[in-house]
Amino acid sequence: DGGITQSPKYLFRKEGQNVTLSCEQNLNHDAMYWYRQDPGQGLRLIYYSQIVNDFQKGDIAEGYSVSREKKESFPLTVTSAQKNPTAFYLCASSSGDPGNRGYTFGSGTRLTVV
Amino acid sequence: EDQVTQSPEALRLQEGESSSLNCSYTVSGLRGLFWYRQDPGKGPEFLFTLYSAGEEKEKERLKATLTKKESFLHITAPKPEDSATYLCAVQPLSGGYNKLIFGAGTRLAVHP
Repeated sequence: DGGITQSPKYLFRKEGQNVTLSCEQNLNHDAMYWYRQDPGQGLRLIYYSQIVNDFQKGDIAEGYSVSREKKESFPLTVTSAQKNPTAFYLCASSSGDPGNRGYTFGSGTRLTVV
Repeated sequence: EDQVTQSPEALRLQEGESSSLNCSYTVSGLRGLFWYRQDPGKGPEFLFTLYSAGEEKEKERLKATLTKKESFLHITAPKPEDSATYLCAVQPLSGGYNKLIFGAGTRLAVHP
């Protein structure tokens, strides 16, 4: 079955440490997105990529970095510069215009600073 | 500024008690409005896309409607398995890419 796989499901980060969240899709979608979800707030866009080797900052990109070397993969690195990284992170993809199917989301990674 | 506001933040219903969730939006031009369902600890699951005022979509006990300022998600005779957070998102006409702007969601709890 086609879909988006995020790993790990839970991640613990120590102060000053960089961590990388994995996102892989086998839907042949061109566009991929990273969102952050905090309690009581809407999903906020961190980074997005419309094609391989190209990505753009979203609304809250500071302290995060991404790469898009393959169509299927869009990993997110949470750097030590991100001062409040504890959140639920969601990866999504779309074939282009979200159109009739919207985004397809992964199952998320919950990141906690310890 | 493009904005999406959902109300109420939380809603508790008895099984069989119908109700509606509201999504108000401010956007320079609307390309589409999306409804998603999200279970705890999971990613959002797509429900509906609405494109123009007056449009309606239905799926089982859910019906989504759209006006020029807001959308409603009507839940008829809900069951406990309908308990989830319902998210609304809008896709503006402008923005240059396939951007969705999300509301904070409505947490629905349906009790037997």
